[in-house]
Amino acid sequence: AQSVTQLGSHVSVSEGALVLLRCNYSSSVPPYLFWYVQYPNQGLQLLLKYTTGATLVKGINGFEAEFKKSETSFHLTKPSAHMSDAAEYFCAVIRDSNYQLIWGAGTKLIIKP
Amino acid sequence: DADVTQTPRNRITKTGKRIMLECSQTKGHDRMYWYRQDPGLGLRLIYYSFDVKDINKGEISDGYSVSRQAQAKFSLSLESAIPNQTALYFCATSEGTGPYNEQFFGPGTRLTVL
Repeated sequence: AQSVTQLGSHVSVSEGALVLLRCNYSSSVPPYLFWYVQYPNQGLQLLLKYTTGATLVKGINGFEAEFKKSETSFHLTKPSAHMSDAAEYFCAVIRDSNYQLIWGAGTKLIIKP
Repeated sequence: DADVTQTPRNRITKTGKRIMLECSQTKGHDRMYWYRQDPGLGLRLIYYSFDVKDINKGEISDGYSVSRQAQAKFSLSLESAIPNQTALYFCATSEGTGPYNEQFFGPGTRLTVL
């Protein structure tokens, strides 16, 4: 069955440090991939998405992600963490059968002062 | 005003009770979705609707039903609530032009079934 795996339910980084959130997926067709962010007590909002074309995708708030087909990965990065980045981040892929989203379990990003 | 609203925001109910969660949107989108979020499980799709006459089951539809009363309104019902339906429920919308369109989420309804 298709799946999305996010490595690490919690990731802690210092303010100003590199943020790396990992996502691996399975898909039998060229994937559509997404990262969403959920701030405390809010709904989710789109950070970035990969559909076709350039494999390095830039999103909002300085985040970017790189689609690596050979590694079936779509890791999210940000060069310098800010306190306002503290949130839960979800990776998702389009399901082959019905074109709906399959979600990862989420990674909670903690920013240390 | 928020584009996607959900009512109520919080609800505590008892086992066996019928409960309805409501979602309204002003974005003019055709597609609407209901998800539940459980800690450590991410989001799981309950039902989705491409338009008023097109409603589809998601991966965990058992124990739930929906009604699309208008383009802007999509309600989720629990006919007889049970404790393992305690979760955070989200409504979302998207434009109806492709599977990769951004979904816009409401603020969520936290449901507790005692």
